Amino acid sequence: DGGITQSPKYLFRKEGQNVTLSCEQNLNHDAMYWYRQDPGQGLRLIYYSQIVNDFQKGDIAEGYSVSREKKESFPLTVTSAQKNPTAFYLCASRATGMESGYGYTFGSGTRLTVV
Amino acid sequence: GQNIDQPTEMTATEGAIVQINCTYQTSGFNGLFWYQQHAGEAPTFLSYNVLDGLEEKGRFSSFLSRSKGYSYLLLKELQMKDSASYLCAVNYYGNNRLAFGKGNQVVVIP
Repeated sequence: DGGITQSPKYLFRKEGQNVTLSCEQNLNHDAMYWYRQDPGQGLRLIYYSQIVNDFQKGDIAEGYSVSREKKESFPLTVTSAQKNPTAFYLCASRATGMESGYGYTFGSGTRLTVV
Repeated sequence: GQNIDQPTEMTATEGAIVQINCTYQTSGFNGLFWYQQHAGEAPTFLSYNVLDGLEEKGRFSSFLSRSKGYSYLLLKELQMKDSASYLCAVNYYGNNRLAFGKGNQVVVIP
């Protein structure tokens, strides 16, 4: 079955450490996205990629980095420069052709906690 | 901007009907999605509207008025498992991403 997989489900980070969240999809989707969700807030876009080897900053990119070396994979690194990284992180993908009604397919999320 | 506005929280009784509203900026509109998200889980797709009118899917219906920049999600015969956040997301022409509202938390009580 096709889908989008995020790992790990829970992640603990010490202050000053970089951590990388994994996102893999086998849906053959071109576009992939990273969102952050805090309690009581909506989804805020961190980075997105429309095609391999290309990505764009979203609304809250500071302190994060991404790569898109393969169509299937879009890992997110939370760097030590991100001052408040504790949050729920969601990865999503979508097929091209939004006019036909393709929305996002979401991964199950990674909950990152700074200890 | 593309302000997507949703009320934040509502409580309803099991078996009741609840309506969740969403307003958005109309310029460049190209479709609206509703997602359901249980706490700590990923959002799941509920419905998609691109033309005016009502789309019905079992206990859930979604309505769109493009001229008014307005949509609602109607949940009928509420069940305890419907306690969740409901997200409205809009696609705009020329944008490569959906614009999300903050979500409406629905709490179903016995």
